[in-house]
Amino acid sequence: QKEVEQDPGPLSVPEGAIVSLNCTYSNSAFQYFMWYRQYSRKGPELLMYTYSSGNKEDGRFTAQVDKSSKYISLFIRDSQPSDSATYLCAMTAGTGGFKTIFGAGTRLFVKA
Amino acid sequence: SAVISQKPSRDICQRGTSLTIQCQVDSQVTMMFWYRQQPGQSLTLIATANQGSEATYESGFVIDKFPISRPNLTFSTLTVSNMSPEDSSIYLCSVGEAGGYGYTFGSGTRLTVV
Repeated sequence: QKEVEQDPGPLSVPEGAIVSLNCTYSNSAFQYFMWYRQYSRKGPELLMYTYSSGNKEDGRFTAQVDKSSKYISLFIRDSQPSDSATYLCAMTAGTGGFKTIFGAGTRLFVKA
Repeated sequence: SAVISQKPSRDICQRGTSLTIQCQVDSQVTMMFWYRQQPGQSLTLIATANQGSEATYESGFVIDKFPISRPNLTFSTLTVSNMSPEDSSIYLCSVGEAGGYGYTFGSGTRLTVV
């Protein structure tokens, strides 16, 4: 079993839809949770990070962590064609020497 | 956040040859990381490069195959040696600081070995 599982998609939605992207994990030691966005032929860019359980909102993006279920989500409201990219979840037990484990990424297409 | 310039952006190489990938950062950073990204798979850490010391390699990666240099706090190279088609992948340079919760990545080098 992989430490982090992420549905590869692709996920195709119409413009304006609410998008839900998810990851599950097995290591209960994970404390920091991140979402990266990767456009084609580009490196991943950090979109959001959260610590422990709870929600964090940044504009149209909301990151949600449920540590009891070992489940994290990224919601995109009012999705735009420019949101079309691969979204990778990532997580780590801490800073200063702990490895960051990445999901395989979900490809998202937002149709105009 | 740091800006990373990675070269080359892509290359097609013959098996048995070597390719050196360069990573230049616009600010001094303590830790630099090299990742491999294969289609449909998660980012895999190859090694951590710290200035003034030997790189630390992850399980499954060895220095003879992936030698790394880190001559100063803004630059690193990764060499993919004696390449085979199985080395075809995207290689990414990344920087991050202890205490930071995320990393900055270069645009990657798309390597095809024929």
